[in-house]
Amino acid sequence: RKEVEQDPGPFNVPEGATVAFNCTYSNSASQSFFWYRQDCRKEPKLLMSVYSSGNEDGRFTAQLNRASQYISLLIRDSKLSDSATYLCAINNAGNMLTFGGGTRLMVKP
Amino acid sequence: GAVVSQHPSRVICKSGTSVKIECRSLDFQATTMFWYRQFPKQSLMLMATSNEGSKATYEQGVEKDKFLINHASLTLSTLTVTSAHPEDSSFYICSAKGVRREQFFGPGTRLTVL
Repeated sequence: RKEVEQDPGPFNVPEGATVAFNCTYSNSASQSFFWYRQDCRKEPKLLMSVYSSGNEDGRFTAQLNRASQYISLLIRDSKLSDSATYLCAINNAGNMLTFGGGTRLMVKP
Repeated sequence: GAVVSQHPSRVICKSGTSVKIECRSLDFQATTMFWYRQFPKQSLMLMATSNEGSKATYEQGVEKDKFLINHASLTLSTLTVTSAHPEDSSFYICSAKGVRREQFFGPGTRLTVL
């Protein structure tokens, strides 16, 4: 089993839709959790950290479920510009992040 | 804040040459820098972790003599791909971490070896 797993997608959704991605992790001792966004042929950019109590940033909501060992990202009112690959990243110990393979989102007009 | 630069953004070189890529944290001190490689349509693969002033820690399968990493200061790390071959063609991305828990990525270097 991979340490961090994501559904590769693609998720094809119409503009305005709500879409959610999950990311499961295998190490119960994982400490920090993040969502990154990566556009085609570009570097990953930090979208948001994921806190234990859940957190929201505009149309984006991130949640952590430690019992089931997954994090989620919810995007409301999808925009065309949200089309990208969304990477989850988990920090187990020290400074190293382990990335999931990414979930590709395509928002259609 | 938390800006990371990478240079060059694109390199095309002949097989057998060495290529040096620089990664700089512009507005924070990066105690740790990471080097990743990403092939088309694949996920990021960590190559090595470097801490300022010490030797880099390489991931399994990454040749340390081929991918030389130097982290000379708290704002600069370099990756040198020695004797590059076509199979080394990839997107190389660095990231940097300071006191905050997040890592921030450079814009990447696209290497093409002919």
